[in-house]
Amino acid sequence: EAQVTQNPRYLITVTGKKLTVTCSQNMNHEYMSWYRQDPGLGLRQIYYSMNVEVTDKGDVPEGYKVSRKEKRNFPLILESPSPNQTSLYFCASSLKESLLGTPPRTDTQYFGPGTRLTVL
Amino acid sequence: LAKTTQPISMDSYEGQEVNITCSHNNIATNDYITWYQQFPSQGPRFIIQGYKTKVTNEVASLFIPADRKSSTLSLPRVSLSDTAVYYCLRSGSARQLTFGSGTQLTVLP
Repeated sequence: EAQVTQNPRYLITVTGKKLTVTCSQNMNHEYMSWYRQDPGLGLRQIYYSMNVEVTDKGDVPEGYKVSRKEKRNFPLILESPSPNQTSLYFCASSLKESLLGTPPRTDTQYFGPGTRLTVL
Repeated sequence: LAKTTQPISMDSYEGQEVNITCSHNNIATNDYITWYQQFPSQGPRFIIQGYKTKVTNEVASLFIPADRKSSTLSLPRVSLSDTAVYYCLRSGSARQLTFGSGTQLTVLP
């Protein structure tokens, strides 16, 4: 089954304790990204990756790190979590846009089930 | 930032057609318009995508006028299970994607 998986689904931690949220996709997608969702603020992009070893900042990258060593995995790292990083996190993936035609088509994103993080 | 504007909320009754309009005045030549649906505590799910004119699939239609400064998502004959948040998104080749606040659609019996 084609899917994006995230682990853990729920996590309660304390300020300053490093954590990693894993994301994996089995669709051979080049593009992956992380979002956080907070009440009244909608979805905000944290980081995205166009391909292996290629990452870039989204709208709210402060306090987060990512890596893309393999095509299927895109972990989100919080080196020193703080309470303002309490949120619902989503990982997403998609095919790289086709360069055929004008303009290049943007492929749809597939989202994971979400990780609810609480930082005390 | 690629910004869109949508109504915050809409109510409808079962069986009615619902139209949600999105404004994107500064749309770029390479931008497509994509709509996602999200249920509480779930990831967004793709509904439909278009560049101009009209696109229709099994769940919705998308109307984009010639100037492309707005778009309208049309949901035919909604049911209670269509209650969700609907996001309009401009997506170009840059891949830095920005979701707006979305429209909370509530379908009433």
